[in-house]
Amino acid sequence: DAKTTQPNSMESNEEEPVHLPCNHSTISGTDYIHWYRQLPSQGPEYVIHGLTSNVNNRMASLAIAEDRKSSTLILHRATLRDAAVYYCILSFQGAQKLVFGQGTRLTINP
Amino acid sequence: DTEVTQTPKHLVMGMTNKKSLKCEQHMGHRAMYWYKQKAKKPPELMFVYSYEKLSINESVPSRFSPECPNSSLLNLHLHALQPEDSALYLCASSPTLGGWETQYFGPGTRLLVL
Repeated sequence: DAKTTQPNSMESNEEEPVHLPCNHSTISGTDYIHWYRQLPSQGPEYVIHGLTSNVNNRMASLAIAEDRKSSTLILHRATLRDAAVYYCILSFQGAQKLVFGQGTRLTINP
Repeated sequence: DTEVTQTPKHLVMGMTNKKSLKCEQHMGHRAMYWYKQKAKKPPELMFVYSYEKLSINESVPSRFSPECPNSSLLNLHLHALQPEDSALYLCASSPTLGGWETQYFGPGTRLLVL
């Protein structure tokens, strides 16, 4: 499984945008980029995923670098409820599993 | 209904007990997963089922015994556990196996082994 690197922690303020980076320099052409988050005392929750193009959904946007060696999860207007551990995960096309890394613990200040 | 339910929410058991964790989904998903999560650590995959057949066992000790009696239900039978097995046990499901699939997680069962 290709490896991802994320900052251990980040801090932001409520109602401001948050950009969560993920490096994946060994990504292969068939690796999907997934983002999940885990709120305190809950199971992980799907946020967004993509392959090559940038993606938007109601929760967030995913910006993928042109060479695909990095990506950024964008929360457009953070709320206190967005405080969680965010996991960036690569999963190749034939994969049967997700392999979670250490993730980024995001703190949102009121 | 996009929910994965897990019962019980909490479980305390002795090392000689036998207990079972239950996971249920009604989304028509054909892949189901068990993960183990220790405090402050990421989830670690234990088992994967696809179409009710065991697809992956990540070298899990035999004191953990999974079972998939039908496409909606996944059990984890526990026997002779050790205190170090205390953790949050998460169940997940996805439509099929594949790197593009989204996994839907339940809230977990918090297990304490005394």
